[in-house]
Amino acid sequence: GQSLEQPSEVTAVEGAIVQINCTYQTSGFYGLSWYQQHDGGAPTFLSYNALDGLEETGRFSSFLSRSDSYGYLLLQELQMKDSASYFCAVKSSGGSYIPTFGRGTSLIVHP
Amino acid sequence: DGGITQSPKYLFRKEGQNVTLSCEQNLNHDAMYWYRQDPGQGLRLIYYSQIVNDFQKGDIAEGYSVSREKKESFPLTVTSAQKNPTAFYLCASSIGLAGDNEQYFGPGTRLTVT
Repeated sequence: GQSLEQPSEVTAVEGAIVQINCTYQTSGFYGLSWYQQHDGGAPTFLSYNALDGLEETGRFSSFLSRSDSYGYLLLQELQMKDSASYFCAVKSSGGSYIPTFGRGTSLIVHP
Repeated sequence: DGGITQSPKYLFRKEGQNVTLSCEQNLNHDAMYWYRQDPGQGLRLIYYSQIVNDFQKGDIAEGYSVSREKKESFPLTVTSAQKNPTAFYLCASSIGLAGDNEQYFGPGTRLTVT
């Protein structure tokens, strides 16, 4: 089967940088995605990594190490509106390429 | 505007009743999915469909049924056999499975069964 681990909650202050980690176990790894979900809302896609390294999209960056089965989402210049849940999701041939989601990390940004 | 619609936003039912949740997309996507989300949990896959008239069970399909008669529509029926149906249900679509990276989600339907 597949499994993902990510912290349940992270807190930070406005303007700071925060890193949300995700470790996974799967067979036939294909890629790791990150989604953001505000309370009561729909998840929205943030980023995708299939190869090792850092992908940057504005204030958000995502990193992948396939050898360590590990990735992280980096959020810079935090804003209050970044308070949300963040999910990592792994895609693999063992999972028929359907994303399997972690339990999510609740990010709380304080003023 | 392209997107995914789910209706209704909130749904209340009595125990023992079947209920059907609507999901429509105009993104011309082949693949569609249903997820269930409980408080403090990730998204768990109920069913998915790669093409019209074909669908596959996900991790928690028991007590649910789906149909895919049109590319745009993928309704989910929560049957009375589902032991704990109260949850937030999310529908999603993507261009395909392998090779595609992004799922687009609808706004969700919050089902309460009493």
